[in-house]
Amino acid sequence: QVQLQQSGPGLVEPSQTLSLTCAISGDSVSSKSAAWNWIRQSPSRGLEWLGRTYYRSKWYNDYAVSVKSRLTIKPDTSKNQFSLQLNSVTPEDTAVYYCARDGSPSWYFDLWGRGTLVTVSS
Amino acid sequence: EIVLTQSPATLSMSPGERATLSCRASQSVSIYLAWYQQKPGQAPRLLIYDASNRATGIPARFSGSGSGTDFTLTISSLEPEDFAVYYCLQRSNWRFGQGTRLEIK
Repeated sequence: QVQLQQSGPGLVEPSQTLSLTCAISGDSVSSKSAAWNWIRQSPSRGLEWLGRTYYRSKWYNDYAVSVKSRLTIKPDTSKNQFSLQLNSVTPEDTAVYYCARDGSPSWYFDLWGRGTLVTVSS
Repeated sequence: EIVLTQSPATLSMSPGERATLSCRASQSVSIYLAWYQQKPGQAPRLLIYDASNRATGIPARFSGSGSGTDFTLTISSLEPEDFAVYYCLQRSNWRFGQGTRLEIK
C-alpha cells in the first residue's frame, strides 16, 4: 500500500523559506512510472498545482509559472522522499500544502498526502 | 492558458436523486480531464480520469462523459457520503476548476 507522509513547520515568517518534505512508502521516488508533485489549496486561490519532480533515466522538474522563480522541488533517493522549498514567502502563500503522486495507470494525481497547513505570519 | 469553469457553484439535492455536474474548458483538452471529490479536512480523491474512466475502487454510480470542451460528472443515485465538493482537473497545465459544492437539500 503506497503512502505519502508529509512533514514540515506550520508557521513561516514573511520573506523566509517554506520547506516541506514528503516521505514515500510502498513506491520509489525514482520510479519511471510516477511523478511526485506539490499542490496547495487556499480559499482565495483554490487548488493550485505548484510543480513536480520525476525520473526518466535522468531527473526532470516542472514548475507552475506563478511560482517558478521561487520554487525548488528536489528528490532524495537515499531517504525515498522529495521536498519543496518556496522562497520569499508572503501571506498570500498561506495554504494547505499537499504532496501527491501522478502515475500509472491514470497519470493524474491518484495518491495524496494528508496535507499541511502552512501559515505565513510574523 | 486553459481555464476550467464548473457549474453550478452549488447543487442542492436529496439522497437517491441523480446529480449532474458540468465542467467547461476554455479550449479543447481532448479527453484529458479528471474529476475529484473532496470532503472537509481531507485531500481530494480521484474519481474519474481521461473523461470517462473510473479510478480504482470508485463505485459504479459515478460516471464521466465528454470530450473537447464540455464534460459531465454524473452520480446516478446519491448516497449520503456523496455530499462534498467536486473539482475537475485538466492535464495540459494541471489547472483545477473552482469546484461545485454538492449539498443536501
